[in-house]
Amino acid sequence: DTAVSQTPKYLVTQMGNDKSIKCEQNLGHDTMYWYKQDSKKFLKIMFSYNNKELIINETVPNRFSPKSPDKAHLNLHINSLELGDSAVYFCASSQEVTTYFGPGTRLTVT
Amino acid sequence: AQSVTQLGSHVSVSEGALVLLRCNYSSSVPPYLFWYVQYPNQGLQLLLKYTSAATLVKGINGFEAEFKKSETSFHLTKPSAHMSDAAEYFCAVSDWNSGGSNYKLTFGKGTLLTVNP
Repeated sequence: DTAVSQTPKYLVTQMGNDKSIKCEQNLGHDTMYWYKQDSKKFLKIMFSYNNKELIINETVPNRFSPKSPDKAHLNLHINSLELGDSAVYFCASSQEVTTYFGPGTRLTVT
Repeated sequence: AQSVTQLGSHVSVSEGALVLLRCNYSSSVPPYLFWYVQYPNQGLQLLLKYTSAATLVKGINGFEAEFKKSETSFHLTKPSAHMSDAAEYFCAVSDWNSGGSNYKLTFGKGTLLTVNP
């Protein structure tokens, strides 16, 4: 059973489009995250939710809007996609200290 | 603010040789420290973690790391490299976000390990 799952795995789209990435965790964790990995493999936190409440927003552009319908799901919607948004987006969840990551969604904006 | 420095963006070893990947951290509070591995086109897999218990931490796939507070280091080692160890390795430090009951990971820039036959 996959602990943290994301869909889609690959996403190719044109500039200006709007797209969403879905994430689900079956670990029963209270906290979920979105991390971004850029082309140089650098990983940085974008958002953190605790029990559906936004906790961390790391100065991410307003075009990125996370939504948590329940504590097992955290979706990421991106408006007006730009070339610089091309990256791998990882969903993650944690309970206590340890963070578990999903397989990632590779977003390519052309 | 916490930070992580991984010395060496690329480490190359021969199969059977010792693997040593270096990680130094900066933290104003006792840290929680992690090593994650990323195989090509895959997600991040937890190798091991230090959470203020034993300073020598054993992880999966024969890896271990030692927390040295005096050196602010958490280097990752494996006595004998296998071809299957070839991957990107990330060191991370976690701090407690007191405002919201969760942990935020700050990552190093990663070290690509290649293993030569």
